Amino acid sequence: QSALTQPASVSGSPGQSITISCTGTSSDIGAYNYVSWYQQHPGKAPKLILYEVTNRPSGVSDRFSGSKSGNTASLTISGLQAEDESDYYCRSHTSSSTPYVFGTGTKVTVL
Amino acid sequence: EVQLVESGGGLVQPGGSRRLSCAASGFPFSPYWMIWVRQAPGKGLEWVANIKGDGSEKWYLDSVEGRFTISRDNAKNSLFLQMSSLRAEDTAMYYCARDGVPGASDYWGQGTLVTVSS
Repeated sequence: QSALTQPASVSGSPGQSITISCTGTSSDIGAYNYVSWYQQHPGKAPKLILYEVTNRPSGVSDRFSGSKSGNTASLTISGLQAEDESDYYCRSHTSSSTPYVFGTGTKVTVL
Repeated sequence: EVQLVESGGGLVQPGGSRRLSCAASGFPFSPYWMIWVRQAPGKGLEWVANIKGDGSEKWYLDSVEGRFTISRDNAKNSLFLQMSSLRAEDTAMYYCARDGVPGASDYWGQGTLVTVSS
């Protein structure tokens, strides 16, 4: 099972909106709505920010939103803030021999 | 407060073994799937294994199947990862996490570092 494909880096200015894509196949993202997104600051554990494509856990800012079309899921961060500078990973359930696969990760830089 | 605390990491020689532990608190442990995820230095996240609440189902990453064993002790609110025949490519920070919402891990430990080197 290959990792889901994410852009290596995305950047934006404070206040802008950015979108991170996560591309898989018809065996993972295309087959299930079990797509989740994680934020990971350097040296810290990952933090869940979205699950089931669009759901935000309690306490997560509504500036984070998700969507899915076909085999590609997307994370949008609106009103970009300095604290959003971090690494972001998508994850999907799969129908392959392993139940989960992560994305390659995207480094978000706030200019 | 939900807490997951990993332990057991350290320096291991190639071919050696190591047992990681994850102590859970702040929630009823037995109903939840639990998961191990690793992250090699400077690399991305990689799912390693997961286990159903009652221990009846276990899944493994292909590259660790047969070498790693995930288990749990619900009476002690603990999750384990027994690792054997360790390779340099197993060097990583190992995180335990709870699959508390559909298809996602909602709580994570701080990680324990395993270094495989001679």
